[in-house]
Amino acid sequence: AQKITQTQPGMFVQEKEAVTLDCTYDTSDPSYGLFWYKQPSSGEMIFLIYQGSYDQQNATEGRYSLNFQKARKSANLVISASQLGDSAMYFCAMRELWAGGTSYGKLTFGQGTILTVHP
Amino acid sequence: ETGVTQSPTHLIKTRGQQVTLRCSSQSGHNTVSWYQQALGQGPQFIFQYYREEENGRGNFPPRFSGLQFPNYSSELNVNALELDDSALYLCASSLFGTSGERTDTQYFGPGTRLTVL
Repeated sequence: AQKITQTQPGMFVQEKEAVTLDCTYDTSDPSYGLFWYKQPSSGEMIFLIYQGSYDQQNATEGRYSLNFQKARKSANLVISASQLGDSAMYFCAMRELWAGGTSYGKLTFGQGTILTVHP
Repeated sequence: ETGVTQSPTHLIKTRGQQVTLRCSSQSGHNTVSWYQQALGQGPQFIFQYYREEENGRGNFPPRFSGLQFPNYSSELNVNALELDDSALYLCASSLFGTSGERTDTQYFGPGTRLTVL
């Protein structure tokens, strides 16, 4: 079963508009973390934002915010005021604290969403 | 603060050969994880090293092996290369074992692109 699902292969947004990238996850671990990374064409994964499973508030980092709906198991990324430099692949990832009974920091990634920002 | 570095940036090998990829972790980090990213896919976890020992492993065969050194840098070794090993190999470092989940955030290097002919 897919642990991280990103249903939007590609998204388009006009410069200065907001865009939401969808992510749903599946876990039975009571403690987990959710991450979003940006991957430009150069290949480097850039950390954007983190949400812990016990965090009461939605995470925000500058223009990035994470819409965390625990009961729905969704962790959507919202980018406000899109810029041309936001064009990239975006990955949602999850770290389960006690995956398989062993605590280690394996990240499970989704398939990604390609975001294109139009001028 | 020095970020994660990887070498080489690109590598071309032939089937059956062996390859070693290197990673220097971000200063202050004690854990290194390796991921394989095939074209158009999300990264897949290979393994993680903490305190110079393998701390977790994904679904990869034993011909994928690694090392972590006392300075927390790491190597990924792949023996008997296959065509399907062609991918971007990403190294990520993090600080593991301290209080607070936030410190376990993994920071990635620029990757090594391996082509197997």
